[in-house]
Parts: sequence; C-alpha cells; structure tokens
Amino acid sequence: AQSVTQLDSQVPVFEEAPVELRCNYSSSVSVYLFWYVQYPNQGLQLLLKYLSGSTLVKGINGFEAEFNKSQTSFHLRKPSVHISDTAEYFCAVSDWGGGGADGLTFGKGTHLIIQP
Amino acid sequence: EAGVAQSPRYKIIEKRQSVAFWCNPISGHATLYWYQQILGQGPKLLIQFQNNGVVDDSQLPKDRFSAERLKGVDSTLKIQPAKLEDSAVYLCASTLRGSGNTIYFGEGSWLTVV
Repeated sequence: AQSVTQLDSQVPVFEEAPVELRCNYSSSVSVYLFWYVQYPNQGLQLLLKYLSGSTLVKGINGFEAEFNKSQTSFHLRKPSVHISDTAEYFCAVSDWGGGGADGLTFGKGTHLIIQP
Repeated sequence: EAGVAQSPRYKIIEKRQSVAFWCNPISGHATLYWYQQILGQGPKLLIQFQNNGVVDDSQLPKDRFSAERLKGVDSTLKIQPAKLEDSAVYLCASTLRGSGNTIYFGEGSWLTVV
C-alpha cells in the first residue's frame, strides 16, 4: 500500500520570497510522483511529474521538484512566488502500473498563502 | 481540445435520496477514474475503468455507490441512498492508457447531503 504525507497543511509566504512544500511517500514498489495544484472551485492541474531519469524535475509556472529516493521525498520549490500562486497543492504517487491499477494516491494537501 | 466534462456542477439532496453524476472524458482516453474529495482532504480514488472494464474498485463503498462505463466512453457514478458523510466533491479524471501519463481532471461535481 502507498501513502503520501504532506508535512505542512498551510504555508504562508511573502510575495517574491522562495517557498518549499514538503512531501514524503511510502511504497513497497517503485512509483511515479506528481504535484498537482487546485485553484478555488476548480479541478486539479498537473504542475510536474517524475517518472525516471533526472531527479530534478521542472514544471509549469516556475515550479520544480527534486526526487530523493533515500529520503523518499519529493519536495516542491519555487524561487519567487506571486499572488497568483495562492492555491492548494497536492503531492501524489502511483504504482508503475502493475496489473493496470495505477490510480493516484494523494496527500492531504498544502494551502499556499501568498502575503503581499 | 475539450477537457473532462462533468455534470451537474452542484447538487443538494436530503439523506437517503439518490444522486447520479455524469462524466465525459477527453476523446480517446481509455482510462477513466472517479475520485471523492472531502473538504480539507486530498482526493481519494473510488474506481478506475479501462475502456468499459473495472480495473480497481477496492475503495468504492459498494453498498451505496455504483459506477458504470457501458460503452467505454462516458461514465455515471451513482449514490443510493446518500449519507451525510457523502458530502464531497466528486472528481472525474481521464488519461491515455499507460502508467505515468498525465491524468486530466474535470472541475468536479459538488454534493451536499442535508
């Protein structure tokens, strides 16, 4: 069974400051890793994903994440945030698709609050 | 390209009533998922379809929830009878066949059970 832990339920940050949203996972098999963003009253939008290869993954809107297998972490970072980044961020994992069941397991989410 | 379509967007029902949600995935996407997102939590997978077959329904409360995708395209999720704890957003998502492909989500159907 897989699980995802997002260590912070809420992260307040000043505009133009850097931010890191933390994510740890546990799984008995190899996984794919994802970060999704959810704006109010909207569905989820993919920010970035790690499948294989380089452990540093770049996504949309200036976000990046680093996969650390030894620490089972996949933290999300942005060097300078904007008011428009205010949203809920979800980390998620899925199996490598053994047997076809590859639905995402999500963390509880981190609410990023950008302060002017 | 059209996204994942869901309806209705909002529904309020009394407990013990029934409700149905409809989803039309992105054209050509063989895999379709239904997720339940309770306020303040991450989405939880309810069921995964591959074409018109069920791949994973281990977290679907089968005593009250049912889902179908008869022709391998659009899907319906039904709740009968509804309970107060079913109040949530029901998200439909789809992807091309194969793990690791981007999963695209609809805007969700908001259910309030009173």
